[in-house]
Amino acid sequence: GEDVEQSLFLSVREGDSSVINCTYTDSSSTYLYWYKQEPGAGLQLLTYIFSNMDMKQDQRLTVLLNKKDKHLSLRIADTQTGDSAIYFCAARMYSGGGADGLTFGKGTHLIIQP
Amino acid sequence: DGGITQSPKYLFRKEGQNVTLSCEQNLNHDAMYWYRQDPGQGLRLIYYSQIVNDFQKGDIAEGYSVSREKKESFPLTVTSAQKNPTAFYLCASRGPTGELFFGEGSRLTVL
Repeated sequence: GEDVEQSLFLSVREGDSSVINCTYTDSSSTYLYWYKQEPGAGLQLLTYIFSNMDMKQDQRLTVLLNKKDKHLSLRIADTQTGDSAIYFCAARMYSGGGADGLTFGKGTHLIIQP
Repeated sequence: DGGITQSPKYLFRKEGQNVTLSCEQNLNHDAMYWYRQDPGQGLRLIYYSQIVNDFQKGDIAEGYSVSREKKESFPLTVTSAQKNPTAFYLCASRGPTGELFFGEGSRLTVL
């Protein structure tokens, strides 16, 4: 089955760029997602990218996909204190009859230093 | 506003009691999911339902039960058979391109 890996912590200074990395194992993953979770809250969809794309940009967020290496990254430009959260990478593989849900990484805690 | 509503946000249970967590959606989505979140473990799938009157076990279904009598509702019961129920529970529904929309979560604590 699919496996998604992320580092557990990332610390950056306010105003710098944050780059959160993710690797996945299933090369047939069709969609890849980034979610943000603030303390005590649910997961909020930030952005997603289809597997036939290399890059997607949305305001301060840039997603890069390297299909050959099965590597996904989320770059947050000009990181602010409000960006402090857990960021989850998730992959979807169309199973044709199973859960057809998402496989999540364990989440990266983004810590902002003043 | 459209979305997923979970209740209650906080719930306390004595050992041996069953409790039911509510999940309602007005997004007209067919598929709904329940996840459990523990610190450092990410999200683990408990049950899912692709359509009304049908549901399937996920990776950690033991000690839990669900029903799907209406499209809008997918309640989760944590039974006394669940040995370690203290956790954060998240309900989600699936959108047209496979993305999941989550509720705000319910935190269950066993006293």
